[in-house]
Amino acid sequence: DAGVTQSPTHLIKTRGQHVTLRCSPISGHKSVSWYQQVLGQGPQFIFQYYEKEERGRGNFPDRFSARQFPNYSSELNVNALLLGDSALYLCASSLGDPTGTPYEQYFGPGTRLTVT
Amino acid sequence: DAKTTQPPSMDCAEGRAANLPCNHSTISGNEYVYWYRQIHSQGPQYIIHGLKNNETNEMASLIITEDRKSSTLILPHATLRDTAVYYCIVSRVNSGYSTLTFGKGTMLLVSP
Repeated sequence: DAGVTQSPTHLIKTRGQHVTLRCSPISGHKSVSWYQQVLGQGPQFIFQYYEKEERGRGNFPDRFSARQFPNYSSELNVNALLLGDSALYLCASSLGDPTGTPYEQYFGPGTRLTVT
Repeated sequence: DAKTTQPPSMDCAEGRAANLPCNHSTISGNEYVYWYRQIHSQGPQYIIHGLKNNETNEMASLIITEDRKSSTLILPHATLRDTAVYYCIVSRVNSGYSTLTFGKGTMLLVSP
């Protein structure tokens, strides 16, 4: 079975540019979450979507946005890139409603974004 | 948030059991304990979760104390491929969503 897939694998952007990262969840999973992992730290929660609706947002500026499509895939957009946005961006998918317990999240391999 | 405390690093000989401890003394009655691991530069991998009973799957066993204030992840026969950072997480269910708050985890080094 295919796991969570993310594209691209690596990306280099310049300060001020914008970027779009893509995620395809495990087949049948209806919830997608996005995390940012800066070098040397654990992943930090950015967004969570379920059935195409935003269910939660972490402490990130409005430059970060996301959406989930009818096929449950998702995009993370970051505008006006800063050097500090350089990180591994992780997508995780889950089967059901985020308010259900337990709620297992399965991560993709991530997109490594470098901002120069 | 129910916070977790883990040792920063542990060593284990290949073939031996690796026992990774985690303290979560402020856990609430309906909060689950999840374990993930992350091999360098890869996405975190789900290992196991539990509420109050001990759990076992093909990867590991999870032992949760009766008072639920601590737990231990057991890898019964560690291999070199088990070298990774292991995260113990008490998942927080907010209003309408569920987050994983990753701490620093335990760096497990499995040696030949």
